[in-house]
Amino acid sequence: GQQVMQIPQYQHVQEGEDFTTYCNSSTTLSNIQWYKQRPGGHPVFLIQLVKSGEVKKQKRLTFQFGEAKKNSSLHITATQTTDVGTYFCAGHSGGSNYKLTFGKGTLLTVNP
Amino acid sequence: GAVVSQHPSWVICKSGTSVKIECRSLDFQATTMFWYRQFPKQSLMLMATSNEGSKATYEQGVEKDKFLINHASLTLSTLTVTSAHPEDSSFYICSARDLPRLLAGGLLGEETQYFGPGTRLLVL
Repeated sequence: GQQVMQIPQYQHVQEGEDFTTYCNSSTTLSNIQWYKQRPGGHPVFLIQLVKSGEVKKQKRLTFQFGEAKKNSSLHITATQTTDVGTYFCAGHSGGSNYKLTFGKGTLLTVNP
Repeated sequence: GAVVSQHPSWVICKSGTSVKIECRSLDFQATTMFWYRQFPKQSLMLMATSNEGSKATYEQGVEKDKFLINHASLTLSTLTVTSAHPEDSSFYICSARDLPRLLAGGLLGEETQYFGPGTRLLVL
């Protein structure tokens, strides 16, 4: 079945440093979505990427979807303590089941 | 964004009892809802896809007789953990699929899943 690999598993940075997490799917995706889960909370939708090579920005967050629609990245510029949490990518392979396959997530901690 | 509620937010029960968890889409109709399970420090694992008016589709390895899913209306899906045991203790999260909405200018919005706040189940 479809697998979505996400690295790194953990990332600890000093406040102000940049952060990147990467996702790679075993199959071509219809779209990829990114979620943030704060400690003790539930996943919150951040963004969806659909087009090959797509790049979207949300303030300090930059999301990219690879040309082959198999990989994606989330980059945070100048991290803040409010960025702490686990970032998950979730791939949708298309079809009528609308299922998402989640990566294992990257736990980001930020030292003030 | 769309709101999904889940009830209860946490439950402690004795081994052998059954626990029902409700998932509601509050401001949109969801023909499809999903149930996930998340163990500490792990990712979300899809358990089943719940379709309104039809039987749920379970992922491989998930016992359908143990995890009963009912999606009786467009805004409510329930997950019942029958004869719960300590190994069923986990964080259960539902999500509801929101169809793309027509935006101003004729553009189609994004289709996404909105997650409920989750239910923490502890079986003693």
